[in-house]
Amino acid sequence: EAGVVQSPRYKIIEKKQPVAFWCNPISGHNTLYWYRQNLGQGPELLIRYENEEAVDDSQLPKDRFSAERLKGVDSTLKIQPAELGDSAVYLCASSPPLVEGANGELFFGEGSRLTVL
Amino acid sequence: AQSVTQLGSHVSVSEGALVLLRCNYSSSVPPYLFWYVQYPNQGLQLLLKYTSAATLVKGINGFEAEFKKSETSFHLTKPSAHMSDAAEYFCAVSDKYGNKLVFGAGTILRVKS
Repeated sequence: EAGVVQSPRYKIIEKKQPVAFWCNPISGHNTLYWYRQNLGQGPELLIRYENEEAVDDSQLPKDRFSAERLKGVDSTLKIQPAELGDSAVYLCASSPPLVEGANGELFFGEGSRLTVL
Repeated sequence: AQSVTQLGSHVSVSEGALVLLRCNYSSSVPPYLFWYVQYPNQGLQLLLKYTSAATLVKGINGFEAEFKKSETSFHLTKPSAHMSDAAEYFCAVSDKYGNKLVFGAGTILRVKS
């Protein structure tokens, strides 16, 4: 079974340029997450989708970040314009339907490493 | 609000020695606790999880962790380190619905031959 697929793996851009990351979750996983991992830190949640609906985007910097999950499968995370501080690894994860007491495992992609110059 | 503190950003052990990675949590509700491992240039993968059943949890690759409510701890151990255990380890906490997984800053484990 294929895992979570992300692209591109690496991206180098100049500040003020736009950038987009794509994620294809594991088939059947209705919950999709975007995390940001800064150097030397743990991942921090940006946004969580349940199917097509963004149910938690409280940590997404909405002035420059946007995300979409059309048709409840693939997702795209966009930054426009990028700033130096956006340099990080952007991780996508998915999980099967959340059920009380039988949850918790997130399946992560390999990440997209962004460098903003 | 929930949070996790991992004590020690870097831990170095000799091959065959005990591995102990420390994690303390803060949670206003009964927590679910997790350890994830990240090998270089790879995504995070689950090592083990505590979901209110047995307090001693066994995971993959010989790792285990013990939930101690009185100490608000969930330390990760392995009796004998292998070179292949060198990686970054993350402790994480969520509520019982798993809505928001909060990660610690991570501990890089180095195994010396």
